[in-house]
Amino acid sequence: AQTVTQSQPEMSVQEAETVTLSCTYDTSESDYYLFWYKQPPSRQMILVIRQEAYKQQNATENRFSVNFQKAAKSFSLKISDSQLGDAAMYFCAYRSRGYGTDKLIFGTGTRLQVFP
Amino acid sequence: KAGVTQTPRYLIKTRGQQVTLSCSPISGHRSVSWYQQTPGQGLQFLFEYFSETQRNKGNFPGRFSGRQFSNSRSEMNVSTLELGDSALYLCASSQGTGGNSNQPQHFGDGTRLSIL
Repeated sequence: AQTVTQSQPEMSVQEAETVTLSCTYDTSESDYYLFWYKQPPSRQMILVIRQEAYKQQNATENRFSVNFQKAAKSFSLKISDSQLGDAAMYFCAYRSRGYGTDKLIFGTGTRLQVFP
Repeated sequence: KAGVTQTPRYLIKTRGQQVTLSCSPISGHRSVSWYQQTPGQGLQFLFEYFSETQRNKGNFPGRFSGRQFSNSRSEMNVSTLELGDSALYLCASSQGTGGNSNQPQHFGDGTRLSIL
């Protein structure tokens, strides 16, 4: 069975600075997808960024980028130029590819605080 | 395009009662998944429906059930409510490719269920 681990329950960053959130996962599958979701106090889970395991190039979405290390089974999220609106819970999620399901397996989350 | 709509937003029930939660997916999405979010257990997968059929199920007791209608709208039902069922219930919709694309799941705002 696949598992996702987020070892940082809480992180904090100064506005305009850079912060990295860690995520590791365990799987015997060779092809899969990885996602980072953000959940602000409003509760809605919002997709931040996605990565296909078969792509070696790290995904980037504006100020958000990932460091995907397939061999190490690591998928960290880097937030550059942090903004107050980035404060939220961040969840790393795994999805198998080609097994007939869209089911996501989530980590326990990292609460990010952003200070002015 | 309207997002995923969950109703009601809040619900208070007492032990032993039954509850039904509703989820309307994004137009064109054929897959609906349900997740339970609690502080202790995090985000746990309940079940997934595609074309009115349950195609994946998490490790929850039979008191938790669901269904999907021909318009892709989904309901989940919890019978004989227990205190431990207090949680945020999130619904997510996707195109339903069964893990064969990088298209993410889109989440609703959730239903906060409190059991007294």
